[in-house]
Amino acid sequence: AQTVTQSQPEMSVQEAETVTLSCTYDTSESNYYLFWYKQPPSRQMILVIRQEAYKQQNATENRFSVNFQKAAKSFSLKISDSQLGDTAMYFCAFFWNTGKLIFGQGTTLQVKP
Amino acid sequence: GAGVSQSPSNKVTEKGKDVELRCDPISGHTALYWYRQSLGQGLEFLIYFQGNSAPDKSGLPSDRFSAERTGGSVSTLTIQRTQQEDSAVYLCASSLQGSYNEQFFGPGTRLTVL
Repeated sequence: AQTVTQSQPEMSVQEAETVTLSCTYDTSESNYYLFWYKQPPSRQMILVIRQEAYKQQNATENRFSVNFQKAAKSFSLKISDSQLGDTAMYFCAFFWNTGKLIFGQGTTLQVKP
Repeated sequence: GAGVSQSPSNKVTEKGKDVELRCDPISGHTALYWYRQSLGQGLEFLIYFQGNSAPDKSGLPSDRFSAERTGGSVSTLTIQRTQQEDSAVYLCASSLQGSYNEQFFGPGTRLTVL
């Protein structure tokens, strides 16, 4: 069975600084996708970044980047130049060809002014 | 274009009552998913519809839970004889046909069972 673990329930960072959120997963699959979703207080889940397992290059979207270590089954999210609007709950998720996303427990990120 | 919409936004019900939660996916999306988010928990997969194929119901927690999708579009999640442990946010998502397309989420329905 596939599992996703986020070991940091809560984190905080000062505005403009960099923060890294951790995620590990367990799978025997070779082809899969990994995602980071953001859930602000509005409850709307928003896709932040995605990584295809067959790609060695780490995905980057503006201030968001990942460190994908396939052998270690690690998928961390780095947020650079943190902004107040980044305050939210962040979920790491695993996807393979069954159609459903497997989510971690989430990390609540507070960006402080 | 319009995103995924869900109704109602909030629902308060008494233990033992039945509830129906509605999801309107993005037009043209053939795949539709229901997830449940309990307080302080991650999202738990409930059910997945893909086109005309039989739905994947493997995540439904009990036979009190059922879902249907009419005309390949709107979906209704029904919970019969609600229990307090059913209190959660129920999220719906949709995606284009294909295994690895992004899932777009609705704002969810917060269900409170008294």
